[in-house]
This record gives sequence, structure tokens and C-alpha cells, in this order.
Amino acid sequence: TQLLEQSPQFLSIQEGENLTVYCNSSSVFSSLQWYRQEPGEGPVLLVTVVTGGEVKKLKRLTFQFGDARKDSSLHITAAQPGDTGLYLCAGLYNNNDMRFGAGTRLTVKP
Amino acid sequence: DTAVSQTPKYLVTQMGNDKSIKCEQNLGHDTMYWYKQDSKKFLKIMFSYNNKELIINETVPNRFSPKSPDKAHLNLHINSLELGDSAVYFCASRPGGANYGYTFGSGTRLTVV
Repeated sequence: TQLLEQSPQFLSIQEGENLTVYCNSSSVFSSLQWYRQEPGEGPVLLVTVVTGGEVKKLKRLTFQFGDARKDSSLHITAAQPGDTGLYLCAGLYNNNDMRFGAGTRLTVKP
Repeated sequence: DTAVSQTPKYLVTQMGNDKSIKCEQNLGHDTMYWYKQDSKKFLKIMFSYNNKELIINETVPNRFSPKSPDKAHLNLHINSLELGDSAVYFCASRPGGANYGYTFGSGTRLTVV
């Protein structure tokens, strides 16, 4: 049983479109993180959210942590081909136990 | 300059062999991890060490044995390799505290033939 459900699993859109990726759980996290992974490389941290209701922005990426700290979303505005990659959410349950979602594979077509 | 480095990058070996993957971090982080990423890209935690002490040991076969000689190193030794062990193995480290994320190595692609 996966602790974190990520959706959608695959997403293919045209350049310039907006998209949202969701990460949901029935458990409460100490913090939640989003990573992006490119082929042949390890995941790279994009953001960490800690407080319920927190919103963080990173250029065209907006991250939101749910009020109850059980879910999160990643919104990309005006997607570009360079945004293509595997997006992973990860929740911290104890101080050292981080569990990952199954990932959303995003393809942005020019 | 590399923050978390793993070697080798690629490892092809026959069933039944024993192999090791090495990991080193120069970030001064307290905690190091091994993750396994399967063909569907799902990342599953295997082990976690904090200051050389094992703190997470998920249900992995006892053919897998981590070794942490010091805070900066966490190696993974695998005995009697099986076909199902083929995957990408990632080492990662992070400081303590909820605000901090992982720094991952670039992975070791293990192929058992």
C-alpha cells in the first residue's frame, strides 16, 4: 500500500498550457517536498513545505500544502518543454522517514 | 565539487555474484539513505543511517547489507545477486529537521543477467 497517492501518473500537454499535479495521503506529514528527476539523474529538490496552508512559488511553479498537512499540489503556469520530467512528491513522517509518491511523468510538447 | 557521489554509475553482473556500491557525501549531513527505484520509477526506501547508526531498515532481503564506516560514507553490499535486484539504486543525504530535503546521488544502474 502506497502512503502517498500522486496523480495523474502521466501528463502530456502543449507548450503554454497550465497543469496541476496532486499528492494525497491519509497520513499527516511533518513536511512535504517536491522533486524533479531527469533521465539518468537523481531527483533534485524543488521545494519543501512545512506549515499547513503554506504556498510557495518558484518562478512559474506554485506549491501548496493542505491545511491538514495531508496533501499538496504543484501548479505549473505556461509550461515549457524544459519542464518535461518526472515530478515526485515526498512526505516526511518521522524525522528521518521520507516516503515518495509514484511520480507524475510530464511531457511538454513544443 | 560533487555533493553526493556514487560509484559505479553502471554495474552489470551475473546472478549469484556479490557486489558493492559506494556512496560518499561532502555536505556534512547527519543522515544518509539508500533508495531503490524500480522500472516504474517508484522510489522505495531501503536503509537510513544517522551518524553511522542504522535507524531505518525496511523489509529488504538480508542479502543487502549497508555499511557506514563514518558519517560521510554509506556503502551497500549485495550478496548472491538475483534478477529481481536489477534497478537503479540511489544514495541520498540530508541534515536533520523537517525543513530539509534530500540531496541525491546520480544513481547506480544495476543489471543482473
